Amino acid sequence: GNSVTQMEGPVTLSEEAFLTINCTYTATGYPSLFWYVQYPGEGLQLLLKATKADDKGSNKGFEATYRKETTSFHLEKGSVQVSDSAVYFCARATPSMKTSYDKVIFGPGTSLSVIP
Amino acid sequence: GAVVSQHPSWVICKSGTSVKIECRSLDFQATTMFWYRQFPKQSLMLMATSNEGSKATYEQGVEKDKFLINHASLTLSTLTVTSAHPEDSSFYICSAPGATRGLAGGTDTQYFGPGTRLTVL
Repeated sequence: GNSVTQMEGPVTLSEEAFLTINCTYTATGYPSLFWYVQYPGEGLQLLLKATKADDKGSNKGFEATYRKETTSFHLEKGSVQVSDSAVYFCARATPSMKTSYDKVIFGPGTSLSVIP
Repeated sequence: GAVVSQHPSWVICKSGTSVKIECRSLDFQATTMFWYRQFPKQSLMLMATSNEGSKATYEQGVEKDKFLINHASLTLSTLTVTSAHPEDSSFYICSAPGATRGLAGGTDTQYFGPGTRLTVL
């Protein structure tokens, strides 16, 4: 089927630590992949995306590379800050049968807490 | 960037009543909008696809007679939870696809509303 799996949380890191949140997907073909972030009390925001194999999405110091051989899209950041505390969702696009726009299927989310 | 708003941000209602939630795209037109629900500490579950000028498409397991969707204009979709029960209490989120600004664009990028917290007593 079409699904997204990501590492269980919560994750707690000290400031300036290295972050990795694993994400794998199942799909037919090569869907666009995303990382969304939900800060406390706010709506989801697109953090980064990649639309084809070997693409690297990056934003705000976060990076993720589309790996078709391992069907993965792991999120990394070299040095996290307290302000990065949020819930991170890995997601993939899947075609909608009824519109020209893709639906988005989300992983379960990983809560990150960064402590000073 | 593109902005999607929702109203109300939270609502408390009695069991058996109906509640309407609005989703608006503020600075762009959206012929399609998506409705999700999110239970505490869980992921977003896609409920339905709202299509301007035509019937909504519901995901498997979602009762279309309970969750009425109307997409009356290019900037507004509404979700009505009919005969609400406590198990309908959840966080309802809408999104609209649009071109991104500042990131690589594409029709598969979504802009999300801030969500509506529904509590049914």
